[in-house]
Amino acid sequence: NAGVTQTPKFRVLKTGQSMTLLCAQDMNHEYMYWYRQDPGMGLRLIHYSVGEGTTAKGEVPDGYNVSRLKKQNFLLGLESAAPSQTSVYFCASSLWTRGDGYTFGSGTRLTVV
Amino acid sequence: KQEVTQIPAALSVPEGENLVLNCSFTDSAIYNLQWFRQDPGKGLTSLLLIQSSQREQTSGRLNASLDKSSGRSTLYIAASQPGDSATYLCAMYSGGGADGLTFGKGTHLIIQP
Repeated sequence: NAGVTQTPKFRVLKTGQSMTLLCAQDMNHEYMYWYRQDPGMGLRLIHYSVGEGTTAKGEVPDGYNVSRLKKQNFLLGLESAAPSQTSVYFCASSLWTRGDGYTFGSGTRLTVV
Repeated sequence: KQEVTQIPAALSVPEGENLVLNCSFTDSAIYNLQWFRQDPGKGLTSLLLIQSSQREQTSGRLNASLDKSSGRSTLYIAASQPGDSATYLCAMYSGGGADGLTFGKGTHLIIQP
């Protein structure tokens, strides 16, 4: 039971570098989400997708891009990393949008120096 | 915009004690509220989900209550154990689609053996 798999688990970037975080789910969920979690801020929604080929902005989308070319994968890209993007990133998926039935990945800890 | 506050931010109690975690929210127009558990290096696991028409839900030693009129929810943990040590997050779904889930900042709980 893989559920939601995030890669990589840890990464250190220099300011200005780019990278892509991969989220893969094997539950055939339609909805996928990227959150960031910062100390004292809780989880905040970056981008989400309501199905293959769709993406939408969440609460804090600036500096990030996403793609959902395949239903099972949701990619989060940082084109030019900034120290303010140091955070723990969580991917989640759900079968519906009723607020329940979410499955979360184990997170990616990203440090931008 | 829904705002979710969790008090206290951190709590340390001896093993065996009963304890209460608090969550308050500003907009009573919610569909459901749930409590998550987060362990270090892992994703979020849903513990209890309360629909807006319900007053409480129970699972083993956990009991969650919801009072929409006062904008409050509590998570009661009976006979606490060291294995209960984790961060507990409250989140509510206010409808409106895939971006309708709002998280609190969490309570970091330590149960002393």
